Amino acid sequence: GQQVMQIPQYQHVQEGEDFTTYCNSSTTLSNIQWYKQRPGGHPVFLIQLVKSGEVKKQKRLTFQFGEAKKNSSLHITATQTTDVGTYFCAGHGTYNTDKLIFGTGTRLQVFP
Amino acid sequence: EPEVTQTPSHQVTQMGQEVILRCVPISNHLYFYWYRQILGQKVEFLVSFYNNEISEKSEIFDDQFSVERPDGSNFTLKIRSTKLEDSAMYFCASSPGTGLNTIYFGEGSWLTVV
Repeated sequence: GQQVMQIPQYQHVQEGEDFTTYCNSSTTLSNIQWYKQRPGGHPVFLIQLVKSGEVKKQKRLTFQFGEAKKNSSLHITATQTTDVGTYFCAGHGTYNTDKLIFGTGTRLQVFP
Repeated sequence: EPEVTQTPSHQVTQMGQEVILRCVPISNHLYFYWYRQILGQKVEFLVSFYNNEISEKSEIFDDQFSVERPDGSNFTLKIRSTKLEDSAMYFCASSPGTGLNTIYFGEGSWLTVV
C-alpha cells in the first residue's frame, strides 16, 4: 500500500537554529497537508499545498511540494521553544478519496 | 472558532467489552472521520462517513468496528469486543467537503484496554 515516510524521526535543536523535515511518498499525491501535534495533543492543520512545485510561507515556516508531487518539506527558520511538537505531513492519494495518509512524523525538541 | 468535541477524553475498559466513543463534529460540516494513533506512532485513517453512510474505510476498520450518526449532531464509533491492541488515541474529525478540504481534528479519546 501507499506509504509516506518522514525524516528525520527525531530532531533536537538549540533555540534559534533552523529545522527541516522531509516527507516522501511511495506514490503521487493529489495534495500535501502539514499538521503539528503538541505532546499529548491532537493534530492541528497548518497548511495545504496542491500544485506541483508549490512553495508557501507562514512567518518562519516554509513549505514546499515537490515537482513530482511525491515529496514535500517543512523548514522552520530560527526555531523557538513554542515550535516543540511532532510535525506530520499527510496527503490524499487521489482526488476522489477521503483517506488522508499520514507520514511517520518528525518529533522536534527545542532547547532554550 | 468552531471545534470538534469528543467524549470521553479517556476510557479504560476490560478486554472483550464494548466501547462507544462520541464526537460532535463542526455543525456545517458534511464529512466525518475517525482516525487512530497508537502511542508514539503515526495517525491512521479508520473510516469516513458522508450522507449517513460509510464512504470509505481502511483495512483496520474490520467487523468489530461500526460508526453511526444517531441524531443530527453526534457521530459515534463503536468497538464491539475490544482487544488489547485497540488501545490507542481515537481522533474524530470533520470537514466541509472531501478531497482537498481542511480536516479539523478533535482532541481525541484515549482508550486503554486492559
